[in-house]
Amino acid sequence: NAGVTQTPKFQVLKTGQSMTLQCAQDMNHEYMSWYRQDPGMGLRLIHYSVGAGITDQGEVPNGYNVSRSTTEDFPLRLLSAAPSQTSVYFCASSPLVGAGYEQYFGPGTRLTVT
Amino acid sequence: AQSVSQHNHHVILSEAASLELGCNYSYGGTVNLFWYVQYPGQHLQLLLKYFSGDPLVKGIKGFEAEFIKSKFSFNLRKPSVQWSDTAEYFCAVSTSGGYQKVTFGTGTKLQVIP
Repeated sequence: NAGVTQTPKFQVLKTGQSMTLQCAQDMNHEYMSWYRQDPGMGLRLIHYSVGAGITDQGEVPNGYNVSRSTTEDFPLRLLSAAPSQTSVYFCASSPLVGAGYEQYFGPGTRLTVT
Repeated sequence: AQSVSQHNHHVILSEAASLELGCNYSYGGTVNLFWYVQYPGQHLQLLLKYFSGDPLVKGIKGFEAEFIKSKFSFNLRKPSVQWSDTAEYFCAVSTSGGYQKVTFGTGTKLQVIP
């Protein structure tokens, strides 16, 4: 049981490049989400999903796309990277019922956009 | 929409000192409350949570938190901190019935000096 995994751990992009951050979980959780963590701002919700085929926007969705074709995977796509997207990105998952909505976090991806 | 305030951004304590980190939320309805901890270089993990029942909640590693509904507070406490408690602590709130739009506070960095 690997929990929540994220790849890559580190990434450097140039402004305008696109990339996909991968997130996978093996706990059969319905709910998955993406956060960005910036100094002094805590964690801010980017997008979330309550099941395969269902996604919705969080607090800071601009510049990011998501899709959820399977229960296990929830990739985050940066369409045209900007320096303002330099951050640490965390993926999290949880059951929708039963476990009290505790979220399980992945190890994070540290992204730098130059 | 709910919001969370953590007033202490950086706390420095000596080992064996007592700890209390403040957390206040704004939301008029029923809430679920969490404290997460992020040790240096690691991902977030759940420290404790409150959903209903006894407002005094005990978590891992000797931490506890008290939900005071009239004050919209969920302060984290530990009677005697250790150097290994050095970490960043996040308070979070979600509203009952909602689809997991968990809102995090900005975090408190705790530094424990041996």
